[in-house]
This record gives sequence, C-alpha cells and structure tokens, in this order.
Amino acid sequence: DVKVTQSSRYLVKRTGEKVFLECVQDMDHENMFWYRQDPGLGLRLIYFSYDVKMKEKGDIPEGYSVSREKKERFSLILESASTNQTSMYLCASSLLTGSDGELFFGEGSRLTVL
Amino acid sequence: SQKIEQNSEALNIQEGKTATLTCNYTNYSPAYLQWYRQDPGRGPVFLLLIRENEKEKRKERLKVTFDTTLKQSLFHITASQPADSATYLCALEYNNNDMRFGAGTRLTVKP
Repeated sequence: DVKVTQSSRYLVKRTGEKVFLECVQDMDHENMFWYRQDPGLGLRLIYFSYDVKMKEKGDIPEGYSVSREKKERFSLILESASTNQTSMYLCASSLLTGSDGELFFGEGSRLTVL
Repeated sequence: SQKIEQNSEALNIQEGKTATLTCNYTNYSPAYLQWYRQDPGRGPVFLLLIRENEKEKRKERLKVTFDTTLKQSLFHITASQPADSATYLCALEYNNNDMRFGAGTRLTVKP
C-alpha cells in the first residue's frame, strides 16, 4: 500500500522558533507537495518539488522554505514561527506522469504556534 | 488568479437520498478535475478524476460531471449512507504538476 508519513501529528511551538516538518513517501514518486489547510480556506499550496533538489513556490510560500535532498523525503521549514502559521499541514506525493495527478496524502501535522 | 468555489460549506441529507455537491471555477481551464474525501483529522483520499473531454464518470455510487462551458463539476452520491458523511474536496489540475483545491463541502447523511 502507498504510504506518505508525516513525522509529527501534533506540535506546539513558540513564536520565533524554527520548526521542521518532515514527510517521507515510499512510492518512488517524483512530485511532493506541502499544503496548509485552514477552515473556510481549504488546502493552499505552499511549495512543491518535482525532483530532488528542485522546488517551486505555490500560492503562499512566504515564511516557509523547503528541502528535498532525497527523492523520498520533503521537509517544510518555518524559519521563525509566527502565530498566523498555526494550521494543519498536509504533505502529498504523486507520480510525474501517467497517474493523472492523483495525490496521496499523509495524515497531517497540526501545528500550534503560541 | 484562478478561483475555485464549492457551493456550500455544509450539506445535510437523509439516508437513501442523492447528495449533489457543486464545484465552480473561474479564470482557468483545467485539463482535469478530481474529487477527494476527507474524514476529520485525516488527510484527503482520492475518489475520482474526470478529464475536460469527458462529460461524466461513474464509480459505484459516485458520479461526477464536468461542464467546461459552465466551468462547473457536479459530484453525486446516490443511495447515500451515514458512512458517506465526510468533507468532499474538488481539485483542479494546474500547470501539469500540481492541484489546487476548493474549501470543501461537509456532508452529513442522517439515518
């Protein structure tokens, strides 16, 4: 079975802390994505990557950075967490071609910034 | 910029009835559109895809239509069951590699 694993289900951090959210997929997918989900706003794309060491900005990249050093791992970094980054973060992966873009999601990481 | 709207935040129906959810979009022409189901505290799960040249797609009790003139997709669940209660998200293909999502409609099916 296809699996996307996010390292932490729940995190509580303080304003100004550096936060790492890790995501690992075991499907050999080329594409990986980070979304955040907020009530009434749906899923908004932060960053995505279609290859190792490649990254593309999504709709809301400000305040975030990403790292993809290995094909199976995509990390989201909040350099200096702020309260408006309190949210549910969802990682997803997909094949580059041939799958019609079906996304496989992790279970999510709920981040609270105090 | 593109905009994706799902008709309502919440929809309540009686068991056995057909649930119809709407997804409208503007300023864009996606090559395909997807529907996902999301249960509380879980990540979304893919249900169906429909391409721009397809009018309708079915999978068991699910049916999706795609009207590129109206810029609208309808998602139907026939003979609905309480187990169908969840949030349903539509997603549009954008730039070949990524998907953009609507805010979702929370469906509640009452016994």
